Amino acid sequence: SQQGEEDPQALSIQEGENATMNCSYKTSINNLQWYRQNSGRGLVHLILIRSNEREKHSGRLRVTLDTSKKSSSLLITASRAADTASYFCAPYASGNTPLVFGKGTRLSVIA
Amino acid sequence: KAGVTQTPRYLIKTRGQQVTLSCSPISGHRSVSWYQQTPGQGLQFLFEYFSETQRNKGNFPGRFSGRQFSNSRSEMNVSTLELGDSALYLCASSLGQSGTEAFFGQGTRLTVV
Repeated sequence: SQQGEEDPQALSIQEGENATMNCSYKTSINNLQWYRQNSGRGLVHLILIRSNEREKHSGRLRVTLDTSKKSSSLLITASRAADTASYFCAPYASGNTPLVFGKGTRLSVIA
Repeated sequence: KAGVTQTPRYLIKTRGQQVTLSCSPISGHRSVSWYQQTPGQGLQFLFEYFSETQRNKGNFPGRFSGRQFSNSRSEMNVSTLELGDSALYLCASSLGQSGTEAFFGQGTRLTVV
């Protein structure tokens, strides 16, 4: 299994602004997932993008995947205070390997 | 449909004791994974069970063990607790095929004193 590395480690923005966080990984993948974790709670699945997809949208979320650069980005548009959370990516390569997570990006949206 | 349920939510134990945490997955899910989350180490993978068999194991000492029952419910056990075992323990379930969406419980907050 491989672990993604999220960047930046922390991000602070004003409500209404867009937030972009990035994920890099090392080997070829089958898909990549993004998760959100509110303080002290379980992770919540946000979106899964397959290796043959370049962009995917879900509400205010936009995820891109660049397999040539082995990177993905998560864009949250028009951020709200409720978006304050940690965001994790989980690249999946192949086989019966578990999901593993990096240290995440800690997003603070200030009202 | 009920989500992933972890019990207990909070636990305080003394160094040297042992503890058992429980996880009930979403009905129909056959895979259960366990994670330890601490401020210093982040979210670390402990082990994964699928159809009562350990399918994957992380890099943790043998004091950490788990099992899965025929109804897919899972337990993890930590023996001879150390202060460093204080953490949020998260359980996640999925249908079973690797790389698919995982559903997490709210976690068990373990404090070792």
